[in-house]
Amino acid sequence: EAGVTQSPTHLIKTRGQQATLRCSPISGHTSVYWYQQALGLGLQFLLWYDEGEERNRGNFPPRFSGRQFPNYSSELNVNALELEDSALYLCASSRDSIDPLHFGNGTRLTVT
Amino acid sequence: DQQVKQNSPSLSVQEGRISILNCDYTNSMFDYFLWYKKYPAEGPTFLISISSIKDKNEDGRFTVFLNKSAKHLSLHIVPSQPGDSAVYFCAARAQLGLSFGAGTTVTVRA
Repeated sequence: EAGVTQSPTHLIKTRGQQATLRCSPISGHTSVYWYQQALGLGLQFLLWYDEGEERNRGNFPPRFSGRQFPNYSSELNVNALELEDSALYLCASSRDSIDPLHFGNGTRLTVT
Repeated sequence: DQQVKQNSPSLSVQEGRISILNCDYTNSMFDYFLWYKKYPAEGPTFLISISSIKDKNEDGRFTVFLNKSAKHLSLHIVPSQPGDSAVYFCAARAQLGLSFGAGTTVTVRA
C-alpha cells in the first residue's frame, strides 16, 4: 500500500509570492489533514478536509487555504508569503475519525 | 492556546533503561490519545494509542498510561534501544481533529 505522498519535497519562494503544496492520501482514505511544523515548535493544525469539504481549520490567517479534490487529493495554498511561513508542512490522511493519522514526509517551504 | 503540552523538550537515556515521556492536556473533551514518533526528514508515524475509557495500553516495549483525573498521560519504553532515538509527539483527539504537543526529543545513549 502506497503511503501519503507530498510534493514538492522542497519549495523555495520569496516574500509576497504564493506557494502551492500537494498531497495524495492513502488509497481509501477520505480525510486529509494539513499541519505546520515550524522550527522548534510542534505540529500546528492547519486544515481538515473530508469528502471534499472543509471540516475544521486551525488558528491561521485566511491566506492559508486549501481544497480537496474528488479523488481525495488535496492542495494547500499559502498566499502573500511571509518569512515566518518557512516551515515543514505535513499532510496526513485517515479512513475515518477513529483511524490514526498517516503522515507524508512533508514539504519543506523556505521563504526568503 | 496549547491544549496538549509536553513540558520536556528532550530526554537522554542509556540503552536498556526505561524512557518515560510525559504529556498533559487541558481539554476534558479529548476522548482518544496517541503517540507518534518522528525521525528527521520523515513524517510522524503512529506508535500507540489509548482510549479515554482505559488507563493503560501495552504494545511490546511501549506502554501508555492515562490518568484522566490529572489530565496526564505518559509513554514508557522498556528497554530503550538506539533506534528509539527520535522526536515523540503526544496527540489528543476531540470532535474536530487532533491536537499535538510540541514533542520530546529522545536520545538513547549506547
